[in-house]
Amino acid sequence: GAGVSQSPSNKVTEKGKDVELRCDPISGHTALYWYRQSLGQGLEFLIYFQGNSAPDKSGLPSDRFSAERTGGSVSTLTIQRTQQEDSAVYLCASSLRERIADTQYFGPGTRLTVL
Amino acid sequence: AQSVTQLGSHVSVSEGALVLLRCNYSSSVPPYLFWYVQYPNQGLQLLLKYTTGATLVKGINGFEAEFKKSETSFHLTKPSAHMSDAAEYFCAVIKTGANSKLTFGKGITLSVRP
Repeated sequence: GAGVSQSPSNKVTEKGKDVELRCDPISGHTALYWYRQSLGQGLEFLIYFQGNSAPDKSGLPSDRFSAERTGGSVSTLTIQRTQQEDSAVYLCASSLRERIADTQYFGPGTRLTVL
Repeated sequence: AQSVTQLGSHVSVSEGALVLLRCNYSSSVPPYLFWYVQYPNQGLQLLLKYTTGATLVKGINGFEAEFKKSETSFHLTKPSAHMSDAAEYFCAVIKTGANSKLTFGKGITLSVRP
């Protein structure tokens, strides 16, 4: 079946602009995760959803970052007033349930470049 | 706090040689441990995981890892490297008693020489 998909695959924006990154999880997966991969910080957790609720937003780096999930499916990560340090690959993952033993399946990522 | 240490940033082996990628974790209680692989311009793919039970875990593509509580280690091995194994490898942990967010090591790039 289809895996996790993310769009766009690449996004180049100017400093100060807002961007939206989209994640389509595997159908039927109730848990959804956002991670960020950057040269300086490595792979780091941002936020996760169980259904449409976000019990853990602890990884969001600032209040410029927000995310939502609708219909228990698609999720959007929004970055307002982008800064150059936001440049990174943003990865989305989903799992069947929010259980430790459940495998997280990752999408290909969105590469964000802030000029 | 849970953390994962992967020694070195780059490992190079010859085709057919043993692959050994090291991972150590810091934890007062046994965590859940994972190895992921990332091929160029692709997302992460799970190689194997340890949650409970047998400490020797077999994964995909001939990889395996052994959970050693006494050494707080979860090293990844493969008896014979293939050219297709060239990729970046990440060790990760999930803190017990919390939600299932992954905490990753900084990753190791594996190169395979012909």
